[in-house]
Amino acid sequence: GAVVSQHPSRVICKSGTSVKIECRSLDFQATTMFWYRQFPKQSLMLMATSNEGSKATYEQGVEKDKFLINHASLTLSTLTVTSAHPEDSSFYICSARVAGSNSPLHFGNGTRLTVT
Amino acid sequence: AQSVTQLGSHVSVSEGALVLLRCNYSSSVPPYLFWYVQYPNQGLQLLLKYTTGATLVKGINGFEAEFKKSETSFHLTKPSAHMSDAAEYFCAVSDSGGYQKVTFGTGTKLQVIP
Repeated sequence: GAVVSQHPSRVICKSGTSVKIECRSLDFQATTMFWYRQFPKQSLMLMATSNEGSKATYEQGVEKDKFLINHASLTLSTLTVTSAHPEDSSFYICSARVAGSNSPLHFGNGTRLTVT
Repeated sequence: AQSVTQLGSHVSVSEGALVLLRCNYSSSVPPYLFWYVQYPNQGLQLLLKYTTGATLVKGINGFEAEFKKSETSFHLTKPSAHMSDAAEYFCAVSDSGGYQKVTFGTGTKLQVIP
């Protein structure tokens, strides 16, 4: 089946530093990837839609300069949290859709970010 | 805009008892509906989905859900709960009748009591 690998699974960083999270589709090509943020005991909130070879589409209220998304290939999208603050601490999950119009989402295992 | 409402943030059942997790949706287009399961500190795994056709959908691990358009519901059931079913379950709807942007409910945490 389609596998999405997300790395790292956990990361701790200091305030003011930047953190990069990778999302890879291992056995399929993904023209579209989605980045979600999940606060404790809450649902997943879509942050942005990442399209291969073009700029990401951000949801309302998400700072694009703070959450940089790059989708440089059909198998890799990255989310960089720039100048991280403690309030950015959260669980970030990516998902990818197999290229084509009628395929479901496959999720990575998430990244637990803690900013100290 | 699409939305999903999951009734009950926590549900407890005894091992072997029926599992019923409720989900109601709103959608301006014929919806695609999903149930996902999430184990602690992990991503989401697709349990089942409804797109078109048969309204009773069977998924993995013995779960099934029925799409009821008149009730705008997509409740998840399992006849007999196992301890391994303890997890968080999310109902979701797509906003374009396809697999584009997916909106999730707030989740229901299922506890299985031995």
